[in-house]
Amino acid sequence: GQNIDQPTEMTATEGAIVQINCTYQTSGFNGLFWYQQHAGEAPTFLSYNVLDGLEEKGRFSSFLSRSKGYSYLLLKELQMKDSASYLCAVRKTGGFKTIFGAGTRLFVKA
Amino acid sequence: DTEVTQTPKHLVMGMTNKKSLKCEQHMGHRAMYWYKQKAKKPPELMFVYSYEKLSINESVPSRFSPECPNSSLLNLHLHALQPEDSALYLCASSPGLGGDEQFFGPGTRLTVL
Repeated sequence: GQNIDQPTEMTATEGAIVQINCTYQTSGFNGLFWYQQHAGEAPTFLSYNVLDGLEEKGRFSSFLSRSKGYSYLLLKELQMKDSASYLCAVRKTGGFKTIFGAGTRLFVKA
Repeated sequence: DTEVTQTPKHLVMGMTNKKSLKCEQHMGHRAMYWYKQKAKKPPELMFVYSYEKLSINESVPSRFSPECPNSSLLNLHLHALQPEDSALYLCASSPGLGGDEQFFGPGTRLTVL
């Protein structure tokens, strides 16, 4: 089976840094995605990690440890528009199946 | 063209109606997906098409019938739906196999009365 855990909600202040954690248990791991989803809109791709380590892309960074089944998304210099749900998603081997976590709703306050 | 389009944006249908959702992409992607998303829940995979062939069916009830007429189009035919099928239906595409990001369309908000 598979299990993906993320905090339900987080609150952070504009200009600050926030780290959203994701732990997973799955058979046949083939990479981990982070997506951003604003309310009522489609998910948009943020990052993809398949090897251990940190991937940096502007204000967003994502980290993966395959041995620990752990990833985090780091958002720097938070802006109000970063208020959204952040979905951790695990791709399985052998096909196109991607399993989404329940998402973390991030509230950025002034 | 770097987007996935879906029509209609909103759909209200009765339990005896037959309707179709449409999805289109012109990025040359060879994999296309249907997801169902309920409020405050993650997207749940329904179907995957790879090179116009059905690759994954996540035990979806037969009242949902996917169709991939060509590499750019993906349809979802709906018949005899239940009120609990009301949700946001998301279409996505990816270039191909492996660790490709999925590009999502804006979704169709479906309400079944």
